[in-house]
Amino acid sequence: DGGITQSPKYLFRKEGQNVTLSCEQNLNHDAMYWYRQDPGQGLRLIYYSQIVNDFQKGDIAEGYSVSREKKESFPLTVTSAQKNPTAFYLCASSMDSAYEQYFGPGTRLTVT
Amino acid sequence: GDSVTQMEGPVTLSEEAFLTINCTYTATGYPSLFWYVQYPGEGLQLLLKATKADDKGSNKGFEATYRKETTSFHLEKGSVQVSDSAVYFCALSDPNAGGTSYGKLTFGQGTILTVHP
Repeated sequence: DGGITQSPKYLFRKEGQNVTLSCEQNLNHDAMYWYRQDPGQGLRLIYYSQIVNDFQKGDIAEGYSVSREKKESFPLTVTSAQKNPTAFYLCASSMDSAYEQYFGPGTRLTVT
Repeated sequence: GDSVTQMEGPVTLSEEAFLTINCTYTATGYPSLFWYVQYPGEGLQLLLKATKADDKGSNKGFEATYRKETTSFHLEKGSVQVSDSAVYFCALSDPNAGGTSYGKLTFGQGTILTVHP
């Protein structure tokens, strides 16, 4: 089955720790995206990558970092500099940036 | 910049009622328009899309028509079911945008739909 996987589904961390969220796709898509979802605010773009070894900041990149060393993988690191990291994080991919995006099941991160 | 405005929720309906969720947009180019659905605790699923004016997207009984003259993409369903209870997001992508906006999806804030038996 082709799709996007995110792991883990739930993640708990203490304040001050960096944490990395996994996103893998086997759809052979070139473009990948990370979004943050907070209640009542819709989705906001954190980072995106149109090709391997290249990525761009989205609207709320501060306190986050990414890498794109392989086409199928786009991990997101939430650093200790992110002031409000508790949220639902969604990864997406698309054939290229001109096409519709397909989403993974999400990771709910709780930082206390 | 681009923006999407959705009808505020929550929307509560009885089973078999008619559904409309309004969506209007602002874009500088000629965007593609999408409706996504999110069930509790899950990611977003693409429900339907339209890529040019007067296109009608449809899927699972849901429909939406791309109206350039009113900059709208309202979601409709003739007879809702309890299983349609979810959050619905309208979104746009401007394939003609340049720079860092290329391929970016702009979302509305989402509309919660609850359908009662």
